[in-house]
Amino acid sequence: EAGVTQFPSHSVIEKGQTVTLRCDPISGHDNLYWYRRVMGKEIKFLLHFVKESKQDESGMPNNRFLAERTGGTYSTLKVQPAELEDSGVYFCASSQAKSGANVLTFGAGSRLTVL
Amino acid sequence: SQQGEEDPQALSIQEGENATMNCSYKTSINNLQWYRQNSGRGLVHLILIRSNEREKHSGRLRVTLDTSKKSSSLLITASRAADTASYFCATGGSEYKLSFGAGTTVTVRA
Repeated sequence: EAGVTQFPSHSVIEKGQTVTLRCDPISGHDNLYWYRRVMGKEIKFLLHFVKESKQDESGMPNNRFLAERTGGTYSTLKVQPAELEDSGVYFCASSQAKSGANVLTFGAGSRLTVL
Repeated sequence: SQQGEEDPQALSIQEGENATMNCSYKTSINNLQWYRQNSGRGLVHLILIRSNEREKHSGRLRVTLDTSKKSSSLLITASRAADTASYFCATGGSEYKLSFGAGTTVTVRA
């Protein structure tokens, strides 16, 4: 079974530019999550999709971040325009469970460096 | 805000020794999970303990949970070089998402 795939693995952009990160979850997983880890700090929740719908986007830092999940399959996270503080590792995870014990399967992450 | 908080931030041990790390959290939970991250890889689920459980084992891993103190511990026995990684606790509540801490970085010296 293919795992969670994220692309690109590393992106280096200048402040003000746009970057789009992509996540392909495990096939059949309705739940898709985006997390971010900045500078060795805690892994912070960004948002949660159930199929194509945003279930919880309380962790999205501001309106420069836009997440979509077309047709309930893959998801994209766009940062426009990028700022220095957006640098970090963006993790995508997926799961089948809808509540209770929800075990996540993570991708390897997309490292974003904003110069 | 951060829910789980691991302690210590970093741990260095000799191969064969045991490694213990702790996690404290703030709000009520349904379950607590531990994940491992090897350098450059994604997080991998290790073990889950439910709020009505006090201790759980999986291979060389032992997890305890004290809901009265809002804390958990992860013990890795007879550590190996391959155990070198960052370890994160994650709490699950009534919502679908998990809340993670900043992790404990474990280095196992040969």
